[in-house]
Amino acid sequence: RKEVEQDPGPFNVPEGATVAFNCTYSNSASQSFFWYRQDCRKEPKLLMSVYSSGNEDGRFTAQLNRASQYISLLIRDSKLSDSATYLCVVNMNTGFQKLVFGTGTRLLVSP
Amino acid sequence: GAVVSQHPSRVICKSGTSVKIECRSLDFQATTMFWYRQFPKQSLMLMATSNEGSKATYEQGVEKDKFLINHASLTLSTLTVTSAHPEDSSFYICSAREGGSSNTEAFFGQGTRLTVV
Repeated sequence: RKEVEQDPGPFNVPEGATVAFNCTYSNSASQSFFWYRQDCRKEPKLLMSVYSSGNEDGRFTAQLNRASQYISLLIRDSKLSDSATYLCVVNMNTGFQKLVFGTGTRLLVSP
Repeated sequence: GAVVSQHPSRVICKSGTSVKIECRSLDFQATTMFWYRQFPKQSLMLMATSNEGSKATYEQGVEKDKFLINHASLTLSTLTVTSAHPEDSSFYICSAREGGSSNTEAFFGQGTRLTVV
């Protein structure tokens, strides 16, 4: 089983749609979680951290479910500029801390 | 925000030669640095994690004698691809994090596109 799993997509949605991505992780001792965004041929950039209580930043909402070991990202009112690959990142403690990425979910928002 | 500078951004080398990639944190002390490799249309694969002053911890399947990582200071880590072969052609990207907290954001370098001919 992969340490971090995501549906690679692509998710094709029209502008204004609401879209949700899920990500599962295998290590129950994982301590922190992030969503990063990566545009084509660019480095990943932090979109938001994911907190146990859930958190929202504008049109973006992140949730964490420790019992089921998954995190989610919800994007409301999609914009064309949201088209990118969304990477689920898990900070695992396997004797030392390491950041592990999921495969990424590609989102395409069309007019 | 914090900046991580990676150099070179692009390199072409002959098979059998070695290539060194540098990763610098410009305005913070990078306690931990991560090195990733990304093949086309695939995710970032963690190669190794290094803490300043200690040996890097390599992921399974990554040859430590081929991919030499040095994290000698809190602002610089290097990855040397030794005796490079065409199959080593990839996008290599470093990430740096300050402090020991697991909640700290990791900042990424711009990446190095390596082509071995």
